[in-house]
Amino acid sequence: EVQLVESGGGLTQPGRSLRLSCVASGFTFGDYAMNWVRQAPGKGLEWVGFIRSRAYGATTEDAASVKGRFTISRDDSKSVAYLQMNSLKTEDTAVYYCTREGFGGWQQFDCWGQGTLVTVSS
Amino acid sequence: DIQMTQSPSSLSASVGDRVIITCRASQSISRYLNWYQQKPGKAPNLLIYAASSLQSGVPSRFGGSGSGTDFTLTISSLQPEDFATYYCQQSHSNPRTFGQGTKVEI
Repeated sequence: EVQLVESGGGLTQPGRSLRLSCVASGFTFGDYAMNWVRQAPGKGLEWVGFIRSRAYGATTEDAASVKGRFTISRDDSKSVAYLQMNSLKTEDTAVYYCTREGFGGWQQFDCWGQGTLVTVSS
Repeated sequence: DIQMTQSPSSLSASVGDRVIITCRASQSISRYLNWYQQKPGKAPNLLIYAASSLQSGVPSRFGGSGSGTDFTLTISSLQPEDFATYYCQQSHSNPRTFGQGTKVEI
């Protein structure tokens, strides 16, 4: 069974850091690009960024709202994707989902984790 | 950035109704348009990708159409489990923007 499990969320103060993890199972993790998507309480979905597979250089792209503060990385040997979040702001409060990008070139998000809640508050 | 606009923002429907949700992109995205369903407290689930391709395991009452800037999601006969929020998303270019969502209520 294809599965993604996020962890690392919690309550933190503005200006602090958190690292989220996304553990994958049931598929060859290294073959896939991985994305992060967030959802503020009661709001819609916002794309955070993604990391390409190693075959495409494992390069990353980020949303403007997190550029310079958030970093996406991956460890294919452990089947884990990470979201390092620095200089957190109250507006970063959200459920964070990791997603797998499907094959075929259409870049659809065909598998989602259950999400982990990040709350930034003083 | 490409802006995605869904309409309506919400709708009320009954079991058995045909439901149509539209999504408009601020510039052409070819067929790089995906639809997701989200139920309260749950992660989104992929329904349609490449504007009209049905994701494996998704019931055939869901259908998608369109290309360029205008797209539709159609539920041919609404079922009780279909009451949820639906999002379109463009995957043509970064940032991969979502529509604001359409809540389908009883």
